[in-house]
Amino acid sequence: ETGVTQTPRHLVMGMTNKKSLKCEQHLGHNAMYWYKQSAKKPLELMFVYSLEERVENNSVPSRFSPECPNSSHLFLHLHTLQPEDSALYLCASSQDPGGRTDTQYFGPGTRLTVL
Amino acid sequence: AQTVTQSQPEMSVQEAETVTLSCTYDTSENNYYLFWYKQPPSRQMILVIRQEAYKQQNATENRFSVNFQKAAKSFSLKISDSQLGDTAMYFCAFKPYSGAGSYQLTFGKGTKLSVIP
Repeated sequence: ETGVTQTPRHLVMGMTNKKSLKCEQHLGHNAMYWYKQSAKKPLELMFVYSLEERVENNSVPSRFSPECPNSSHLFLHLHTLQPEDSALYLCASSQDPGGRTDTQYFGPGTRLTVL
Repeated sequence: AQTVTQSQPEMSVQEAETVTLSCTYDTSENNYYLFWYKQPPSRQMILVIRQEAYKQQNATENRFSVNFQKAAKSFSLKISDSQLGDTAMYFCAFKPYSGAGSYQLTFGKGTKLSVIP
């Protein structure tokens, strides 16, 4: 719908598993973001990449590891997660990161459940 | 640090009526952007409207308009002629123009709007 796609849409994993979330943007943007959306809490920014360089990391536990191989793709590698990490993980992209005209466009999210 | 407060966790409106969602924010910045995003049950977050703090004129997008009161740090969203498709979570968000945090959108907790046939 908005040019940002995420896979998978749903993921169930055990605490000892390793999995990855994928995000792809088809908008020609220069920046990509990972957000965590938990029930009854505001969206929390996790990581920001601008021109494939990480520019912001909001004190996210090391069990979450981002990767941005190019400006169109963003991954979130997950390992040894905790049940409290269960949430909706949203990816976003924008054209003018940190700039005055910047607007972020979101993907549909991955619903993650950690057992 | 900025904070965004949406004081109405849930609201409902009759189809074709008008509803206003409230948002207040706290910042020491003078230049910033404010946004309203909509997240329908399908979960895709969609930009509804954007306001630049230096502009006195309130932004409008078709049936959606805002009432931006900079001194009061208030940014409410008015939806006219409500439609069933407007049923969604609505999030207010803040972004500074520049400096530390200029990459980051700060969101409120959201207002769940239900449009009743």
